[in-house]
Amino acid sequence: SAVISQKPSRDICQRGTSLTIQCQVDSQVTMMFWYRQQPGQSLTLIATANQGSEATYESGFVIDKFPISRPNLTFSTLTVSNMSPEDSSIYLCSVDDRGHEQYFGPGTRLTVT
Amino acid sequence: AQSVAQPEDQVNVAEGNPLTVKCTYSVSGNPYLFWYVQYPNRGLQFLLKYITGDNLVKGSYGFEAEFNKSQTSFHLKKPSALVSDSALYFCAVRNLSSNTGKLIFGQGTTLQVKP
Repeated sequence: SAVISQKPSRDICQRGTSLTIQCQVDSQVTMMFWYRQQPGQSLTLIATANQGSEATYESGFVIDKFPISRPNLTFSTLTVSNMSPEDSSIYLCSVDDRGHEQYFGPGTRLTVT
Repeated sequence: AQSVAQPEDQVNVAEGNPLTVKCTYSVSGNPYLFWYVQYPNRGLQFLLKYITGDNLVKGSYGFEAEFNKSQTSFHLKKPSALVSDSALYFCAVRNLSSNTGKLIFGQGTTLQVKP
């Protein structure tokens, strides 16, 4: 299975600022995903990060708020822009293994004050 | 619309007893079904999956799950629970007819195993 790392592991940010989260995979993968897990909640897909094209966003998530980059097949970034306390969540990236399951990074715990 | 339901917020079992964590799903077409576990301050770990074939699938850490198409269920089971199994468990579904790879997660069930 793919090994996935995320940076930073956690951060405390002030409202109105932006944070970029990095996701690195140890092998080339076609599909990468970004999820949000709000406190005490389940996971919600934010977007699919497509290599060489714009990300595909789920309903309720927009590019201006969550810009995503995917410069190659092993790396992606998610930016949380103009943050508010409601953005306090765990953000996880995942990759789609050819065995159909997804493997997840350790997550980035974001607190917005 | 696709959905996954985990009807129990929390399941409590005594160590050594069998455990079941319930999951039902709703998708159009044939599903891929998954179980993940999340330990405190950790990411999600893949436990097992059902794609096709035998309805009883075995996974990591002695867990297994039974796919029941008529009841649209995919309950997670373990014959003998360990205290270390205490964690948050998520059921997820992926629609085969979708090319997006999107996973739909249930709301999660906290498993508490007491010594």
